[in-house]
Amino acid sequence: LAKTTQPISMDSYEGQEVNITCSHNNIATNDYITWYQQFPSQGPRFIIQGYKTKVTNEVASLFIPADRKSSTLSLPRVSLSDTAVYYCLVGDTSYKLIFGSGTRLLVRP
Amino acid sequence: DSGVTQTPKHLITATGQRVTLRCSPRSGDLSVYWYQQSLDQGLQFLIQYYNGEERAKGNILERFSAQQFPDLHSELNLSSLELGDSALYFCASSGGQAKFTGELFFGEGSRLTVL
Repeated sequence: LAKTTQPISMDSYEGQEVNITCSHNNIATNDYITWYQQFPSQGPRFIIQGYKTKVTNEVASLFIPADRKSSTLSLPRVSLSDTAVYYCLVGDTSYKLIFGSGTRLLVRP
Repeated sequence: DSGVTQTPKHLITATGQRVTLRCSPRSGDLSVYWYQQSLDQGLQFLIQYYNGEERAKGNILERFSAQQFPDLHSELNLSSLELGDSALYFCASSGGQAKFTGELFFGEGSRLTVL
């Protein structure tokens, strides 16, 4: 089961691009990489998922290098409402979906 | 609204007591997951069920148990409660395929306070 490592916290300012990197050195061939966002006292919410290269949706991009040992969540032009905890999740099946400790992002005005 | 319903939203009880938390997954989802989140902590995986069968177990205490019923709702039973069991308990559900589809849908959680 792939273990993930993320920075504990990050600070940014409104309008900036934020990149959060997750390390997953022992990722398996079938593992997908998924990112979640969590606000205080709420359940996590799915942001984006990828397997390799780059994935983009309306809220974020996910960059995965060829060796897949890390991934970077990119949030373009963050706003105050993006202040939250961001979790990287690695898994290949629906078994034991274990969240890492997450990255606490603070967006300042 | 994720479509996952958890009850009760809040629960206050005393040490030594037993409580049951209930989760109704999204319509059509066969997998149910339970997570515990203590204050300012990460999400700790407890247990997962798939179509009524236990599929994976995390660091779930022996005082805790869970089950998934034929109608796919799930219950998490916490007994001999201790102060340290105070936490938010989240239920999540996902689709029926064996292959990880990528998205877990979380309920709003049940906040348990043990006094």
